[in-house]
Amino acid sequence: QVQLVQSGAEVKKPGASVKVSCKASGYTFTSYYMHWVRQAPGQGLEWMGIINPSGGSTSYAQKFQGRVTMTRDTSTSTVYMELSSLRSEDTAVYYCARDDGVAAAGHWGQGTLVTVSS
Amino acid sequence: EIVLTQSPGTLSLSPGERATLSCRASQSVSSSYLAWYQQKPGQAPRLLIYGASSRATGIPDRFSGSGSGTDFTLTISRLEPEDFAVYYCQQYGSSPTFGQGTKVEIK
Repeated sequence: QVQLVQSGAEVKKPGASVKVSCKASGYTFTSYYMHWVRQAPGQGLEWMGIINPSGGSTSYAQKFQGRVTMTRDTSTSTVYMELSSLRSEDTAVYYCARDDGVAAAGHWGQGTLVTVSS
Repeated sequence: EIVLTQSPGTLSLSPGERATLSCRASQSVSSSYLAWYQQKPGQAPRLLIYGASSRATGIPDRFSGSGSGTDFTLTISRLEPEDFAVYYCQQYGSSPTFGQGTKVEIK
């Protein structure tokens, strides 16, 4: 069965960077794009960007351009999302979600809480 | 960027009642790339509907989606206790966006 397992919670200081991982299993890793979505406490869902695990190409939401980097490691079937220059407003749960094309995103990771605090 | 506006913000209903949730887009959503997700506290979102009207695997038939262009609706025919949650619409074209959510709460 498809599983997306994310790395554990992080606490970071303002100005630092965080790198969250999402390890995929149960399917051919390079056959499906992967989204990153975040959710601030008590708020809605916000799309951050998408990566093609096959070639590594990415597309980022304009809001995060210049601050986010998505990468992948095909040898471990893992995608990564790194967010730099963290500020308190980046405190959120970060999710990876597999892109199923016309069938939207039916598989999500469990989420990773990133807390930015001095 | 396509802006999605969901209404109402909160829906107060009793188990067994019908729920009708609306999602309006600022411009036409291509190829009905419109999805609905359910989210409960502390959980990841769960896909309910894709392509505006297709139910995802394992989703009960009391959930149905309709609409095209800029106006979409999620209907829950008879609310079960486990259906009280927050619902988000999403357009998943070239630059996906989410609506702000509708909370369905117990009256």
